[in-house]
Amino acid sequence: QVQLVQSGAEVKKSGASVKVSCKASGYTFTSYYITWVRQAPGQGLEWMGWISAYNGNTNYAQKLQGRVTMTTDTSTSTAYMELRSLRSDDTAVYYCTRSSDYGDLPHWGQGTLVTVSS
Amino acid sequence: EIVMTQSPATLSVSPGERATLSCRASQSVSSNLAWYQQKPGQAPRLLIYGASTRATGIPARFSGSGSGTEFTLTISSLQSEDFAVYYCQQYNNWPALTFGGGTKVEIK
Repeated sequence: QVQLVQSGAEVKKSGASVKVSCKASGYTFTSYYITWVRQAPGQGLEWMGWISAYNGNTNYAQKLQGRVTMTTDTSTSTAYMELRSLRSDDTAVYYCTRSSDYGDLPHWGQGTLVTVSS
Repeated sequence: EIVMTQSPATLSVSPGERATLSCRASQSVSSNLAWYQQKPGQAPRLLIYGASTRATGIPARFSGSGSGTEFTLTISSLQSEDFAVYYCQQYNNWPALTFGGGTKVEIK
């Protein structure tokens, strides 16, 4: 079955960077997109962007352009999301998801809490 | 950007009753709409895709309808495990996806 296992919780200072990993199994990694979604405490879901695990093409939410980079390592079936210049409002649970062929999100990682402190 | 608006923000329902949740898109998304359920401390779970198709393993008491800009998620007879937050998401505007703000279904 499809599994997405994310790295553990992180605590970072304002201005620092964080890199979250997402190891996939149970399917052909290069056949699907990995989409990243975040959720601030008590808030709704926010789409961050996606990466094609096939060719590395990316598309980022406009508000994160310039601060986020998504990459993959096909040799280990792992996706990464790096967020730079962290601010307090980046405190959130970050989820990796595997998209279907159409754009809905049937498979989710367990989430990674990133806490940004000043 | 397509804006997704969900209503109501909170819905108080008694177990066994029907719950009707709404989602409106700022422009047509055709049938490219999904619904998710999220319980505290858990990742969201896909319930419905294509506006009306239940995802694998989702009970028949969950149904979705609508197209264009107006969508509805109906839970025919609420069970205790259905009290949660529900989100809609459009994927018509691929590659950009957007979520609604969520509806919390609470016990009346």
